[in-house]
Amino acid sequence: DQQVKQNSPSLSVQEGRISILNCDYTNSMFDYFLWYKKYPAEGPTFLISISSIKDKNEDGRFTVFLNKSAKHLSLHIVPSQPGDSAVYFCAASVGRPGNNRKLIWGLGTSLAVNP
Amino acid sequence: GAVVSQHPSRVICKSGTSVKIECRSLDFQATTMFWYRQFPKQSLMLMATSNEGSKATYEQGVEKDKFLINHASLTLSTLTVTSAHPEDSSFYICSASPVGYYGYTFGSGTRLTVV
Repeated sequence: DQQVKQNSPSLSVQEGRISILNCDYTNSMFDYFLWYKKYPAEGPTFLISISSIKDKNEDGRFTVFLNKSAKHLSLHIVPSQPGDSAVYFCAASVGRPGNNRKLIWGLGTSLAVNP
Repeated sequence: GAVVSQHPSRVICKSGTSVKIECRSLDFQATTMFWYRQFPKQSLMLMATSNEGSKATYEQGVEKDKFLINHASLTLSTLTVTSAHPEDSSFYICSASPVGYYGYTFGSGTRLTVV
């Protein structure tokens, strides 16, 4: 039972355009969401997060939008750069993640930004 | 801050031998660390939660006698793959979170190849 779903396994975008990565969740108890970026043979690196009390969080080129009623969040990258090519994971937790709280992960979306 | 160091980054071992992977929190104390496994083109699979000073909590389907976890100090957790077989070949990643910090930091991962 996949509680966090990333339905697009891959996405290809032209450099300079917007990349939109989507994530859906089923557990209404989730109240904290995170996006991680992962290159091959490396550990994931934290990108951006959002609490359920917000509907938008922005950090430079990265913006995460949360639609609680639809149980949907999205990560927007604009403008996209070739260095953004990686696998992006959506993760969720019940309560503020940290210490001993497990993260529930999506399957990831592989983003390719073409020059 | 919040750096997690994982060692070794790559290891090749013979079938039937055991391999130990170390995960260290360099600038913070972690009462809990998480061990993940990632197969090619697949998502992160949480294997177990490592608890300092007590037994690890294993996810369903993970053999605790095969994947031994020791969390003897607040900065070090180890994962030992015992009697390794080729099907244990995978990318293993640990993560931890400082107390009071939201989100997790990941180690750089260990590529295990069993021949």
